[in-house]
Amino acid sequence: EDQVTQSPEALRLQEGESSSLNCSYTVSGLRGLFWYRQDPGKGPEFLFTLYSAGEEKEKERLKATLTKKESFLHITAPKPEDSATYLCAVGGSNDYKLSFGAGTTVTVRA
Amino acid sequence: DAGVIQSPRHEVTEMGQEVTLRCKPISGHNSLFWYRQTMMRGLELLIYFNNNVPIDDSGMPEDRFSAKMPNASFSTLKIQPSEPRDSAVYFCASGRQNNQPQHFGDGTRLSIL
Repeated sequence: EDQVTQSPEALRLQEGESSSLNCSYTVSGLRGLFWYRQDPGKGPEFLFTLYSAGEEKEKERLKATLTKKESFLHITAPKPEDSATYLCAVGGSNDYKLSFGAGTTVTVRA
Repeated sequence: DAGVIQSPRHEVTEMGQEVTLRCKPISGHNSLFWYRQTMMRGLELLIYFNNNVPIDDSGMPEDRFSAKMPNASFSTLKIQPSEPRDSAVYFCASGRQNNQPQHFGDGTRLSIL
């Protein structure tokens, strides 16, 4: 069974203080690793898909990287509007399902 | 482009009542997913449709839950009779192919009293 573990559960940052979120996974054949952002009262919003080890994707202050066992979401010089819960999900090659981690809640203080 | 549209956004009802949640997927997407999110269990897949056909309903908790997709632009999730433990946020998501991301609606927050 596919498993996803995210750490830390919560992260409090000062504006401009860069940090990284971790997503460790086990999956039988990686179809894709997906990062989402979820704001309170909203649905998960798609950020990135990573397909193979060594791949990197960037969007504004966010950068996602992938190895064979884990993915990192780097937040560079965060701003208060980056405050959200970040979810990681993996899809195995055998089916359509996504297995989601519990998420990391990031709070950025001005 | 319009995203996934869910209604109602909030639903409060009494135990034993029938609840119907609605979803309009993104046009052109052939996969539709219903999820439930709680603090304790996170996001759980309830049912998956491909080309309007239910493929996997193994996540549906009980026979009280049913889902339909009569056409490519509409799906419903029904709970009858509802119970307090069904209280959660229910999300609908749609996508194209298996290696493409799923796009989520903003959910229905369901409270069963």
